[in-house]
Amino acid sequence: AQSVTQLDSHVSVSEGTPVLLRCNYSSSYSPSLFWYVQHPNKGLQLLLKYTSAATLVKGINGFEAEFKKSETSFHLTKPSAHMSDAAEYFCVVSYGSGNTGKLIFGQGTTLQVKP
Amino acid sequence: GAVVSQHPSRVICKSGTSVKIECRSLDFQATTMFWYRQFPKKSLMLMATSNEGSKATYEQGVEKDKFLINHASLTLSTLTVTSAHPEDSSFYICSAPTPQFYEQYFGPGTRLTVT
Repeated sequence: AQSVTQLDSHVSVSEGTPVLLRCNYSSSYSPSLFWYVQHPNKGLQLLLKYTSAATLVKGINGFEAEFKKSETSFHLTKPSAHMSDAAEYFCVVSYGSGNTGKLIFGQGTTLQVKP
Repeated sequence: GAVVSQHPSRVICKSGTSVKIECRSLDFQATTMFWYRQFPKKSLMLMATSNEGSKATYEQGVEKDKFLINHASLTLSTLTVTSAHPEDSSFYICSAPTPQFYEQYFGPGTRLTVT
């Protein structure tokens, strides 16, 4: 069975400092992993995805994530936070074997960016 | 990028009435769409898979007679919450994958409040 755990419900950083949002996954299959961002009153936006190619995945807006199979982790990082990064972030794992399109969402991490 | 719309963005209804929510893929055809429910400060929960031309498949614990799904065309899926109760109040989000599920796009969501 697949599951995903986001280790922090809330992360607060100062503008210009690094961002680390932690995610651990569990999957019976080779997982596809994603990070989505949800801004208030806007749809979910894909930041990046891992689908068994390079383990270091670069996404939009300067975000990147590293797939570590030995640690079953897929943490999201950004070198320097911007005020516009304040949002809800979801770590997501694909559901089941094959490409079903079904997704399992983590609990979400609220990122607060202080000036 | 591809766009998925939802209508209405918010709806308030009285207990016992039914409410229909539409999900449209605006610039691509989607034989499959997904419906999620998001509780306040909580993650997204997959409710069902909407299949064009056939019955929807529901996740465990989701009442199919309460949440009626119709995938009328390759660009439209509807979710009807029947005999709504206050506990059905939630944020409902749809998603539509592109062919081969290469990318998945989310609608902006519909806020349902049942009084």
